[in-house]
Amino acid sequence: DTGVSQDPRHKITKRGQNVTFRCDPISEHNRLYWYRQTLGQGPEFLTYFQNEAQLEKSRLLSDRFSAERPKGSFSTLEIQRTEQGDSAMYLCASSLGSGPTSEQYFGPGTRLTVT
Amino acid sequence: AQSVTQLGSHVSVSEGALVLLRCNYSSSVPPYLFWYVQYPNQGLQLLLKYTTGATLVKGINGFEAEFKKSETSFHLTKPSAHMSDAAEYFCAVSRQGAQKLVFGQGTRLTINP
Repeated sequence: DTGVSQDPRHKITKRGQNVTFRCDPISEHNRLYWYRQTLGQGPEFLTYFQNEAQLEKSRLLSDRFSAERPKGSFSTLEIQRTEQGDSAMYLCASSLGSGPTSEQYFGPGTRLTVT
Repeated sequence: AQSVTQLGSHVSVSEGALVLLRCNYSSSVPPYLFWYVQYPNQGLQLLLKYTTGATLVKGINGFEAEFKKSETSFHLTKPSAHMSDAAEYFCAVSRQGAQKLVFGQGTRLTINP
């Protein structure tokens, strides 16, 4: 069990550029979640997948954001035309099971800075 | 809608003293409650959770929390603080039929030698 990994750990980009983050969940975990955490705040839910199906999206996930989990394993989160307000830590988590009490295991996050 | 309020964005205690981190929740249905800890440059780690049954929940590293429905609270305690407990702590809530966690804003715990 190597834990949830995220790549890159840090990303600095200019406003208007597109960025893509990758998350590799714990092997065999069927659920994968994306959260966003801004400075001084707790994580906020963005979206989650069960296997390859995206089952819920937050209204925080504007049309500039898209997430995929093509084969039910790793996931990518893309932000198009980045804005300064997108600067945040993007957290990925995975869990095994179908209920809300299943433990979510978090990765170390990708810190995005938009200049 | 569910929400979580953590009272005190910063808490400072002396090594060996009692740690008390406060969490109040709002939920229209029976909640599931969690405490996570975040060390610098690391992912969030689950300390403990309450789902059903016994209202006093014991977690890792000597932490425990008590679910009090009448007070809508789930405060985290540890009898004796250790320097290694310095971190950010998050309370979170979920419920049956929902998969996401709703987090509080976090409490940064500092331990003084």
